Amino acid sequence: AQSVTQPDIHITVSEGASLELRCNYSYGATPYLFWYVQSPGQGLQLLLKYFSGDTLVQGIKGFEAEFKRSQSSFNLRKPSVHWSDAAEYFCAVGVAGGSYIPTFGRGTSLIVHP
Amino acid sequence: DVKVTQSSRYLVKRTGEKVFLECVQDMDHENMFWYRQDPGLGLRLIYFSYDVKMKEKGDIPEGYSVSREKKERFSLILESASTNQTSMYLCASMGGATTEAFFGQGTRLTVV
Repeated sequence: AQSVTQPDIHITVSEGASLELRCNYSYGATPYLFWYVQSPGQGLQLLLKYFSGDTLVQGIKGFEAEFKRSQSSFNLRKPSVHWSDAAEYFCAVGVAGGSYIPTFGRGTSLIVHP
Repeated sequence: DVKVTQSSRYLVKRTGEKVFLECVQDMDHENMFWYRQDPGLGLRLIYFSYDVKMKEKGDIPEGYSVSREKKERFSLILESASTNQTSMYLCASMGGATTEAFFGQGTRLTVV
């Protein structure tokens, strides 16, 4: 079965600084990969997704992620963080041609200092 | 805009009560899911459904059941609520393997 690891429980950055949130997945074939964001008390909103093609994926709110097959990683990046980016971020993996149910990581809480 | 609607944002129930959490989607999706979210544990799958009247257990089905009588509605049932079921419950729907899941706003359930 597929699995997702988000090694950082909390990340603290200053407003305007760059951000990278890590995500590693475990699956033998090509996965479908997602990043979601959850603001306090809300459901999850999709930031971006990777199915195939260009390994650098652009998403909403200025986020991007890069799929690296050799490292089994799909890290989320943003060049300049805004205070409104403070939220919980979840990486998820689905399996192409198999069980499509998305499996989620444990989440990374982003704290933004002014 | 696509929409997944959960009937309650907050619920407080007593131990032993039967609890119904309702979820409705307007996207004609075949697949619907119930997740439970707890701090430090992420989202854990309780049950999912890939068609009307079809259901499959997820990772933590104990103490829960589900019902899907119509395509747009997926209900989660706590047969006899217990305090360890206090949690955030998230419903999601999905059109197929190459699409993303769409989430409701969540129901914060407290069992006292």
